[in-house]
Parts: sequence; structure tokens; C-alpha cells
Amino acid sequence: EPEVTQTPSHQVTQMGQEVILRCVPISNHLYFYWYRQILGQKVEFLVSFYNNEISEKSEIFDDQFSVERPDGSNFTLKIRSTKLEDSAMYFCASSALAATDTQYFGPGTRLTVL
Amino acid sequence: AQSVAQPEDQVNVAEGNPLTVKCTYSVSGNPYLFWYVQYPNRGLQFLLKYITGDNLVKGSYGFEAEFNKSQTSFHLKKPSALVSDSALYFCAVRDRGNFNKFYFGSGTKLNVKP
Repeated sequence: EPEVTQTPSHQVTQMGQEVILRCVPISNHLYFYWYRQILGQKVEFLVSFYNNEISEKSEIFDDQFSVERPDGSNFTLKIRSTKLEDSAMYFCASSALAATDTQYFGPGTRLTVL
Repeated sequence: AQSVAQPEDQVNVAEGNPLTVKCTYSVSGNPYLFWYVQYPNRGLQFLLKYITGDNLVKGSYGFEAEFNKSQTSFHLKKPSALVSDSALYFCAVRDRGNFNKFYFGSGTKLNVKP
């Protein structure tokens, strides 16, 4: 069964450093998403991406964040200058269609900012 | 504002007994409703969804959920719990008018004891 994959599984970085989290969505999917889950809290929407552009973003997704689909398979989330409060689990998801379709989630990348 | 509530942080049930994990929602219009399960160190796995039609939805691993419009609820149920069902369960809602993002509940930890 096709799966969403994410790398790395755990990323440790110093405050102020740039990080790139990588995702490979399911191959025939067209919609891509990033969510985050701060430890002990609920899963929060960050951004959705379709047709090579952001379709929606939350208030969390400020200028420090960016997303890119650099080739036909990868979908990346970049945090330019990490803050302590960026420490969280980041989940990538993809769906084939939008409105009624299920989003399939990757296993997540645990980001720890020191 | 759109929101999802899972009123129980934890549900304990004996193996073989029926289980219920509660979810209520607040969205404008008619929602799409989903249940996901998260095992330790894994991503969110899709269990089932309600889009339209029959209020009782059957999903993976013997789980089912009942959409109740008047009570704005979408409780997850299983007639006979297994120890392997022990995990974190998330209810999510998607607004039909804005399909880009899910709103997640805070999660309910299900403990099934032998």
C-alpha cells in the first residue's frame, strides 16, 4: 500500500538555524499539507499546497516558513531561523483530490530546537 | 469558529468489551468528519470518514462511527475491543466550504486491558 514518507525522523538543531523537512507524498496525489503537533497538544494545520502554490495557510505559517515542491516527488517545509517554540512533530499529508478525500499522513519528523 | 472536542483524555476498557471514543464538532454548514489513529512513533492512520448518506459509517479494523447531526457528534465505536486497539485516537473535521484543512481534536488515549 502506498505511503507518505518523511525524512529525517528526528532533527536536532540550534536556535536560529535553518532546517528543511522533507516529505515524499503518495505518487498520484495532487494536494499536499503540513501539520505540526507540539508535545501534548493537538495537531495543527500549517499549510496546503496545490498546483505548485500555497492554497491556504494558517496564522502559524509566518514568514519564517516556506514550502516547495522542487521536483516531481518531494515536498519540503523550510524554517529559516528556528525558535525554541518550533520544537514539535511535523506531519506531512497528501490527498488525491480535495473536498471529500482522505488525507494520508506520514510518520512525522520530530524537530528539537536547542 | 470551527472546532472539534474530544472530551475524554483517556478511555479505559477491558478486552472484549465495547468501546466508545467521543467527538463533538462545531463548524459552519455540513462537515466532513474523520477518525484517525496514532500508534507510538507512527503517523496518523486513517480509520473512517463520513461524507454523506448513512449516518453509521464502517471503517478499518472493525471500527464504526455514528454521525448525529442534532447532537453534532461523531463518536467512534467498536463492539469488542482488542489490546492491539490501544493507541491515540483523533477526530477531525473538514468544512465543506473550505476543504483545505482539517481541524483536529486533542486526541483520546485508548487503553485496552487484557
